[in-house]
Amino acid sequence: EPEVTQTPSHQVTQMGQEVILRCVPISNHLYFYWYRQILGQKVEFLVSFYNNEISEKSEIFDDQFSVERPDGSNFTLKIRSTKLEDSAMYFCASSALAGGSYEQYFGPGTRLTVT
Amino acid sequence: GENVGLHLPTLSVQEGDNSIINCAYSNSASDYFIWYKQESGKGPQFIIDIRSNMDKRQGQRVTVLLNKTVKHLSLQIAATQPGDSAVYFCAENSGYSTLTFGKGTMLLVSP
Repeated sequence: EPEVTQTPSHQVTQMGQEVILRCVPISNHLYFYWYRQILGQKVEFLVSFYNNEISEKSEIFDDQFSVERPDGSNFTLKIRSTKLEDSAMYFCASSALAGGSYEQYFGPGTRLTVT
Repeated sequence: GENVGLHLPTLSVQEGDNSIINCAYSNSASDYFIWYKQESGKGPQFIIDIRSNMDKRQGQRVTVLLNKTVKHLSLQIAATQPGDSAVYFCAENSGYSTLTFGKGTMLLVSP
C-alpha cells in the first residue's frame, strides 16, 4: 500500500540553525500538507500546498517557515532559524483530491528537537 | 476562538467491550469530520469520516455519529481489541484544506 515517508525520523539542532524536513508524498497525490504536534498536545495545521503554491497557512506558519517541492517527488519544510518552541513532531500529509474533505494520508513524522 | 475539543482524555475498557469516544466542536460552518487513530511513534491514521449532511456512518467495527444540533461527534468501536489501544483524534474541516484537530483521547484496552 502506498504511504507517505518522511526523513529524518529524528533531527536534533541548535537554536538559530536552519533545518529542512523532507517528505515524499504518495505518488499520484496533488495536495500536500505540513502539521506539527508539540509533545502531549493536539496536531496543528501549518500549511497546505498545491500546484507549487501555498493554498492555506496558519498563524504558526510565519516568515521563519517555508515549503518547497524541489522535484517531482519531494516536499520539504524549512525552518530558517529554529527556536526552542519549534521542538515538536512534524507530520507531512498528502491527499489525492482537493481540500480537507478528502482523506489526508499522514507520514510517520519527524521529531525535531531544538537545544 | 472556535475549536474542536474532547471530553475524556483517557478511556479504559476491557477487551470485547464497546468503546465510545466523544468530541465536541464549535465551528458550525464545518461540513466534514474525521476520526484519526495515532499509535505511539506513528502519524495519524484515518479511521472514518462523515459529512455534515449525514448523522451516522458505519465502517468495519467503527461507527461515527454526528449530532449537529449539539455539535457533538462520537466514535464507537465495537468489540474493542488490544490493538485498538491508541490516541484518537477528531478533526474538522474548517477551511479549504485545513484540518483542525481536537486534543485527543487515549484509549487503553485491557486483555
